[in-house]
Amino acid sequence: GAVVSQHPSRVICKSGTSVKIECRSLDFQATTMFWYRQFPKQSLMLMATSNEGSKATYEQGVEKDKFLINHASLTLSTLTVTSAHPEDSSFYICSARDRDRTYGYTFGSGTRLTVV
Amino acid sequence: AQKITQTQPGMFVQEKEAVTLDCTYDTSDPSYGLFWYKQPSSGEMIFLIYQGSYDQQNATEGRYSLNFQKARKSANLVISASQLGDSAMYFCAMRGGRDDKIIFGKGTRLHILP
Repeated sequence: GAVVSQHPSRVICKSGTSVKIECRSLDFQATTMFWYRQFPKQSLMLMATSNEGSKATYEQGVEKDKFLINHASLTLSTLTVTSAHPEDSSFYICSARDRDRTYGYTFGSGTRLTVV
Repeated sequence: AQKITQTQPGMFVQEKEAVTLDCTYDTSDPSYGLFWYKQPSSGEMIFLIYQGSYDQQNATEGRYSLNFQKARKSANLVISASQLGDSAMYFCAMRGGRDDKIIFGKGTRLHILP
């Protein structure tokens, strides 16, 4: 089946530093990838949609300069949290769309970010 | 705009009983899809079942079935013969819109009691 690898699974960083999260589709080409954020005991909130080779589309209220998304290849999308602050601490999860399958959305295993 | 509503924040069910998790949705798109995902404490999103808006029959996957009532815009998940391992958070979700993105409801935390 389709597999999406997301790394790192956990990361702790200091306030003011940047953190990069990778989302990689291992056995299919993902022209579209989605990035979500989930606070404890809450739902997944869509942050942005990235299409390979073009700029990401951000949801309302998401700071594009803070959450940089790059989708440079058909198998890799990255989310960089720039100048991280404690309020950016959250669970970040990606999803890759496999257009060859009707309901082909595969999720990564998520990244728990803690900013200290 | 698309919207998913799950009105049950938490449910307690006795093991081996059937359980229904409610989900209603709203969209103006004629073509859309509805999902149910399970999220255990590890955080991974486990796909359970999918229903396309044009599917004539309700989707079933093992112990999971989706009660799709298009006119009422509801897509309830039915789990038959619940097991202790079914304890988790359950999310109803819908795909649609320009990028075919998925949006999620607030979720229902299901507790299966021994």
